[in-house]
Amino acid sequence: GEDVEQSLFLSVREGDSSVINCTYTDSSSTYLYWYKQEPGAGLQLLTYIFSNMDMKQDQRLTVLLNKKDKHLSLRIADTQTGDSAIYFCAESGYSSASKIIFGSGTRLSIRP
Amino acid sequence: EPEVTQTPSHQVTQMGQEVILRCVPISNHLYFYWYRQILGQKVEFLVSFYNNEISEKSEIFDDQFSVERPDGSNFTLKIRSTKLEDSAMYFCASSPEALGRGTNTEAFFGQGTRLTVV
Repeated sequence: GEDVEQSLFLSVREGDSSVINCTYTDSSSTYLYWYKQEPGAGLQLLTYIFSNMDMKQDQRLTVLLNKKDKHLSLRIADTQTGDSAIYFCAESGYSSASKIIFGSGTRLSIRP
Repeated sequence: EPEVTQTPSHQVTQMGQEVILRCVPISNHLYFYWYRQILGQKVEFLVSFYNNEISEKSEIFDDQFSVERPDGSNFTLKIRSTKLEDSAMYFCASSPEALGRGTNTEAFFGQGTRLTVV
């Protein structure tokens, strides 16, 4: 079945860039997402990228997609303490047309 | 900005009891979903619902679970005879079109209901 994998933890210094990586298995993925979950809160969609794109930039966020390697990354420039959260990579596609498949989430912590 | 709302935010129930988790999806959305997240684990798909019927469900969504759209605005998840392992955060979501196929594929999630079975 479809699977999405990502590392569990990432620690960065405030002001540095954070890069969160993700791999997925579904070759028919059409959309790939990054969701943010702050402590005790719900899932907030940060950004998504269509599978025919290589890159998408939105203010401090840059998403890179390598469809050949099924690899997705999220770069957060100038990481701030407010960026501390769990970041979920997710995908939807024709083989999972009515649902989103989530990764385990990467907990991003910010060092002063 | 329109949002998905869920009630209650926290529900405590005794093992064996039935619970109903309530959601109000965004008003012009047609597809509805329930997900759950056991503490520290992945967000897992439970069920999707369209045109008043289940369109897809996971192996987690067994006979203990049911969904309903009773009045055109609410979307409920019923869990019969709750077990300790049903303790989780349950997220409702909605989207205007089917995910992965439409031009607008964003699914909007509610804040979740934390279910604690004791």
